This record gives sequence, structure tokens and C-alpha cells, in this order.
Amino acid sequence: GESVGLHLPTLSVQEGDNSIINCAYSNSASDYFIWYKQESGKGPQFIIDIRSNMDKRQGQRVTVLLNKTVKHLSLQIAATQPGDSAVYFCAENIDTGNQFYFGTGTSLTVIP
Amino acid sequence: ETGVTQSPTHLIKTRGQQVTLRCSSQSGHNTVSWYQQALGQGPQFIFQYYREEENGRGNFPPRFSGLQFPNYSSELNVNALELDDSALYLCASSFIMNTEAFFGQGTRLTVV
Repeated sequence: GESVGLHLPTLSVQEGDNSIINCAYSNSASDYFIWYKQESGKGPQFIIDIRSNMDKRQGQRVTVLLNKTVKHLSLQIAATQPGDSAVYFCAENIDTGNQFYFGTGTSLTVIP
Repeated sequence: ETGVTQSPTHLIKTRGQQVTLRCSSQSGHNTVSWYQQALGQGPQFIFQYYREEENGRGNFPPRFSGLQFPNYSSELNVNALELDDSALYLCASSFIMNTEAFFGQGTRLTVV
């Protein structure tokens, strides 16, 4: 079953501030993680990924941090913009398996 | 935008009917996975196809079946539709499993 969960179901931030979305996982065999952004009525959009041999990865305005000791993943969005408003999911792949496990998501609202 | 396309975008069916959903994978991708996303939930893995063979299945009954074609496009078939099958059905393609997976926009299925 799913082992991925998110700490907060909703998050509101002011435009221009940084956002941090957290995700907990329980399976120590998880070795690959992807953050997805899903806007209303659309499919999940790939944001950034990280493998378990890394603890940090940066993209454009986004950073993913992985703490394997406490089985925690976070997505940091710098200078949050209204277009960042969406539901964010972390997805977990266990032991090079063939499926991703998703949590229920965090809804991010950016206040102009 | 990803190169993953799904059809149709919306569909209404009657309980007991059968439905076929279609997915064209991104160029260069040989693996297609199907997910079901109920309202307010994260996607749930249905199954994956790799080189035209089923390569793993989630907790879904046999009335959910699929195909992958030589061009790596795929179909999801659902027989004997139930009201609870109403959901967004997502297709994701990747080069191989455990790598970046890109989603299509989904097919919204409503069973009445």
C-alpha cells in the first residue's frame, strides 16, 4: 500500500515568499522520488526528482532535500509566484520497482 | 507540455458498460504506466507495460486490463463499469521503470 504522506494538506504563502512543502515516507527501500505539480483539470507535471544516493538537488527556483535518516523529503520553491498555485505530490519508487506511490498531496495557494 | 497524449479527455458511461482509454507515449519512451486518481486523492498505480508485456500490477481487479502496441502506445480497458470507477485516468510514460515518468492530461471518466 501507499507509504507516502504529506504533513500539511494546505499551504498559503504570499507572492514572492519562499514555500516549503514536506513529505514523509515510511519505506526504507525507497530509492527514487519525484515531485509533481498538478493544476486543476490537468495531469501531474514533473518538477524535479532525486535518488537516494543524493541529499539535495536543485532546479530552476526549486530545491528538493532528502533526509533518509528520518525518511523525509521537502520541496522548496523560491520567490513563489501565482502560477505556482496547485496541488503538489511527492511520489516514491521502492527498490527500483515499477510503480510510484503517491500521497494525497498538498494544496499550495499563492496570495498576490 | 509533455509528449504524452490521452484520448478522450472526457467520457460518460453507464454502469455495466465497457470503456477503452488510449495513450500515446512520449517519443523515445518504451514504458507506459496507468494510474487512477479519485477526486482529492493521489494517483493509484493500476499497471505498467514494457515492451508490450504487463510489467507489474497494482491492487485492481482483472476487469482492468491493458495493451501496449509496437509503437509503445497503450490502451486501458475496463469492463463491467462500476460507479466507483469514476475518476481521472492518467497515463505516464518513461524510458524504463524507475526513471522520470511524464504524465498525460488524463481522461475524466464518469460512470452513471
